[in-house]
Amino acid sequence: DARVTQTPRHKVTEMGQEVTMRCQPILGHNTVFWYRQTMMQGLELLAYFRNRAPLDDSGMPKDRFSAEMPDATLATLKIQPSEPRDSAVYFCASGPGPTDTQYFGPGTRLTVL
Amino acid sequence: RKEVEQDPGPFNVPEGATVAFNCTYSNSASQSFFWYRQDCRKEPKLLMSVYSSGNEDGRFTAQLNRASQYISLLIRDSKLSDSATYLCVVNGSPTTDSWGKLQFGAGTQVVVTP
Repeated sequence: DARVTQTPRHKVTEMGQEVTMRCQPILGHNTVFWYRQTMMQGLELLAYFRNRAPLDDSGMPKDRFSAEMPDATLATLKIQPSEPRDSAVYFCASGPGPTDTQYFGPGTRLTVL
Repeated sequence: RKEVEQDPGPFNVPEGATVAFNCTYSNSASQSFFWYRQDCRKEPKLLMSVYSSGNEDGRFTAQLNRASQYISLLIRDSKLSDSATYLCVVNGSPTTDSWGKLQFGAGTQVVVTP
């Protein structure tokens, strides 16, 4: 049963620290997404990759967030420096293609103190 | 105005009853529609795709109304395990940069009570 995996599952850090979240998409999926979910904003798209190329990161605060796919099996989302307002659950999702459904990982629950 | 709008609920439903709710979308060129389910503190999971002719999966029925730009979900014979948040999801138009980017509604909470 193929699944999207994310690490770490939980992260507590202090304001100003760097945070790196990792995602392993389902093998063979060529679209990868990063989302952020908070009670206030719901599910927000941060970044979208297709065939490892970044297609859209307009939802991401550029000054502190960066997303990359160094290879087909790894996507990373980095926050530097982190701020308390970044506290949220960050989900990675992958899909076979742009017309298909997306499969979500279990999320990284980030708390920035 | 949000691209996908849903009634947040909660819809309190007695076990065994039927519940239905809609969501509206703003992009008339949208081509793909889905319902996802999200349990508390868990990731969203695909419940079902929504096809133009309407489709059924067990106790769940989804309908699409392109003219009025809404999709609906009906749950029959509700079970306690149906308690969750149901997310309405719309794919962007294939002719734009939003193709492949799913637009999520904020979700409708359903609470099934004994």
